[in-house]
Amino acid sequence: QSVLTQPPSVSGAPGQRVTIACNGSTSNIGAGYDVHWYQQLPGTAPKVLIYGNTNRPSGVPDRFSGSKFGTSASLAISGLQAEDEADYYCQSYDSSLSPVVFGGGTRLTVL
Amino acid sequence: QAQLVESGGGLVKPGGSLRLTCIASGFTFGDYYMSWIRQAPGKGLEWISYISDSGRKKRYADSVKGRFTISRDNAKKSLYLEMNGLRAEDTAVYYCTRRLEYSSSFYSDYWGQGTLVTVSS
Repeated sequence: QSVLTQPPSVSGAPGQRVTIACNGSTSNIGAGYDVHWYQQLPGTAPKVLIYGNTNRPSGVPDRFSGSKFGTSASLAISGLQAEDEADYYCQSYDSSLSPVVFGGGTRLTVL
Repeated sequence: QAQLVESGGGLVKPGGSLRLTCIASGFTFGDYYMSWIRQAPGKGLEWISYISDSGRKKRYADSVKGRFTISRDNAKKSLYLEMNGLRAEDTAVYYCTRRLEYSSSFYSDYWGQGTLVTVSS
């Protein structure tokens, strides 16, 4: 069981907008710790997509956005494209468990 | 551009040992904390260890504490993971990552391509 909870899968048609939730608790996201998001394309290493809840590294399209509220965070992908098909992971810090905790990952399918 | 290249993975019997190496380039290695993160086949990501820039501070996940040892050689721009008492559940792709601190937490901004460790008799 992952400390952060994500839906196992989401899907959307090209051009649509999807969101991926990351639910935590009062010892991680709810305690104010930042959330980071990674994208893992098939057969490749993860890469950071969003850091510090809302920030995009250079080169990441602005179709990707992050938010955080209370004990949860969310990744939104607008204008879905076929190349967005990947696994997405959220990550944060937990004050009682581990300095690095991940969500279980969400597989995005572009229909 | 920062680059991380892992090596040392392979097939090992339960109870055996293995040493992973990660060679860094494209950045001042000695200025950064580094981490090892693993991914079991078909599963999610699991952080297992980090080491400070100087090498003096180390931290481990409970799942590997007492069996794995992280170390580094800044002169050689190298990160290591010594793995002993390997178990079937340690089978995974092991990623070397550069750790960045941001406000109240940290994240991995560069990842290696990973090296596969298989523990099986």
